[in-house]
Amino acid sequence: EIVLTQSPGTLSLSPGERATLSCRASQSVSSNYLAWYRQRPGQAPRRLIYGASSRASGIPDRFSGSGSGTDFTLTIRRLEPEDFAVYYCQQYGSSPWTFGQGTKVEIK
Amino acid sequence: QVKLVESGGGLVKPGGSLRLSCAASGFTFSDYYMSWIRQAPGKGLEWLSYISESGETIYYSDSVKGRFTISRDNAKNSLYLQMNSLRAEDTAVYYCARSYGSADSWGQGTLVSVSS
Repeated sequence: EIVLTQSPGTLSLSPGERATLSCRASQSVSSNYLAWYRQRPGQAPRRLIYGASSRASGIPDRFSGSGSGTDFTLTIRRLEPEDFAVYYCQQYGSSPWTFGQGTKVEIK
Repeated sequence: QVKLVESGGGLVKPGGSLRLSCAASGFTFSDYYMSWIRQAPGKGLEWLSYISESGETIYYSDSVKGRFTISRDNAKNSLYLQMNSLRAEDTAVYYCARSYGSADSWGQGTLVSVSS
């Protein structure tokens, strides 16, 4: 099973700032099958990125994903109020599909 | 637009059973893999099970294998999760998701509480 470790656990930033979230895999993620989700309080997760760097439908271009192999990054160029939430990475390159433990982006 | 609506959650005693349903609309249900994903209170996400378009391919996580059964009825645009031998650690919000690999659409979730 591929274990995904997200860092930091919590990121304290102000609106308008840039956020950089990390996801490290315990082994290489096949075909860079890595997705990112945002979950606001009381809501279901929403997919932001798939295939490590492809933005999902309707996702603004302030979100970008990068990385390959075992190291992946989600960057939010300028934080909007709705971006203060928990973010999860997920690999689907090998079964079982697994999630990271999440990074909380909070208002500083 | 894609809509997924879960139902069937509730309070059940340890060892009991529940059947969750997910009603899909806004897309051709029979063209997609579907999944169940859960989230324990205050915790992260866990992928439980997926089923292929026709139902021929099914996956279960080790945590639910042998206790939970996923199924679908393409004529009714519905996904199901039969949960038996429920344990306290199965307490969670259960999400239905359209997915193969990554989940591009999610329902709002249904809460399952296992407690005596």
